[in-house]
Amino acid sequence: DTAVSQTPKYLVTQMGNDKSIKCEQNLGHDTMYWYKQDSKKFLKIMFSYNNKELIINETVPNRFSPKSPDKAHLNLHINSLELGDSAVYFCASRLSGNSPLHFGNGTRLTVT
Amino acid sequence: AQSVAQPEDQVNVAEGNPLTVKCTYSVSGNPYLFWYVQYPNRGLQFLLKYITGDNLVKGSYGFEAEFNKSQTSFHLKKPSALVSDSALYFCAVRDYNTDKLIFGTGTRLQVFP
Repeated sequence: DTAVSQTPKYLVTQMGNDKSIKCEQNLGHDTMYWYKQDSKKFLKIMFSYNNKELIINETVPNRFSPKSPDKAHLNLHINSLELGDSAVYFCASRLSGNSPLHFGNGTRLTVT
Repeated sequence: AQSVAQPEDQVNVAEGNPLTVKCTYSVSGNPYLFWYVQYPNRGLQFLLKYITGDNLVKGSYGFEAEFNKSQTSFHLKKPSALVSDSALYFCAVRDYNTDKLIFGTGTRLQVFP
């Protein structure tokens, strides 16, 4: 069973559209994250939630809105998609403290 | 601010030879350091971490890392490389104050048969 699962795996859409990426973890972790990996493989944190509460909100355009209906889910909704949003988006979760992050397999978003 | 640097974009090594992937860190306070590996089209996988204790940390798949406080380094090592070790490796540091895990720029390891 996949511990952190993201859907969809691939997402191709046109500029201006609105899209969502879903993430679920079955590890019982308290904290969930969204990371963005660009074409040069740089990884940057976008958001984190702890037990449904927003903890980290980096300088991400407000077109990006995370939603956590419960502590096992953290979805990412993106409005008015732009070409520069093309990247791989990773969901991750962590139990607490210095426990390691567990990553999903990513969602490759391509905006045309 | 906490940060890590990976000075090499790519490391090439022959199968069976020892490998080292370099990482240096800059932190205020105690460093919490991690190594992750990313295979193509996959998410990152945790290899090992240093929080406190022994400077030599052993992790998954035969990897180990040496914490060196005087050189502010946390290099990843393996005594004998495998072709299957070819992947992208990320060093990371936990910013205790903000609870962010901050990643280095990654090093591509290529192991040749």
